[in-house]
Amino acid sequence: DGGITQSPKYLFRKEGQNVTLSCEQNLNHDAMYWYRQDPGQGLRLIYYSQIVNDFQKGDIAEGYSVSREKKESFPLTVTSAQKNPTAFYLCASSIGGDYSPLHFGNGTRLTVT
Amino acid sequence: GQNIDQPTEMTATEGAIVQINCTYQTSGFNGLFWYQQHAGEAPTFLSYNVLDGLEEKGRFSSFLSRSKGYSYLLLKELQMKDSASYLCAVLDSNYQLIWGAGTKLIIKP
Repeated sequence: DGGITQSPKYLFRKEGQNVTLSCEQNLNHDAMYWYRQDPGQGLRLIYYSQIVNDFQKGDIAEGYSVSREKKESFPLTVTSAQKNPTAFYLCASSIGGDYSPLHFGNGTRLTVT
Repeated sequence: GQNIDQPTEMTATEGAIVQINCTYQTSGFNGLFWYQQHAGEAPTFLSYNVLDGLEEKGRFSSFLSRSKGYSYLLLKELQMKDSASYLCAVLDSNYQLIWGAGTKLIIKP
């Protein structure tokens, strides 16, 4: 079955450490996205990529970095510069085009202490 | 600023009908999406409205009024598995998705 896989589901890190969240899709989608979900707030876009080797900052890119070396993969690194990294992170993909619905992974819950 | 408003939480009874409202103030409008998200899981696409009116899809229907900046999701014949959060998102004039905080729907037997 096609889908998006995020791993791990739960991740714990100490403050000051960088951490990379994995996102892999086998839907053959061109566009991929990273969102952050916090209680009581709407999803906020961190980074997105519409094609391999290209990506753009979203609304809250500070303290995060991404790469898009392969169509299937869009890893997110949460750096020590991110002031409040504890959150639920969702990766999504779409066929591309502005009206395409998003397909989401099951998320990674990151806790930084 | 851009804003999407949804009720934080709603409770309904199994077998009943519930309407979840979403009002928006955005810079332009290129459509409105509804997603369902079970706790700790992936949001899944339910509907997309860009023209005024009601779109029906099985037990779920979605309505849009662009002049009022208003949409609702109507769920009929509620089942326990419908307990989830329902997210409203608007595609603005820059084709950026603006998300509401979601409505947590609790179904009671």
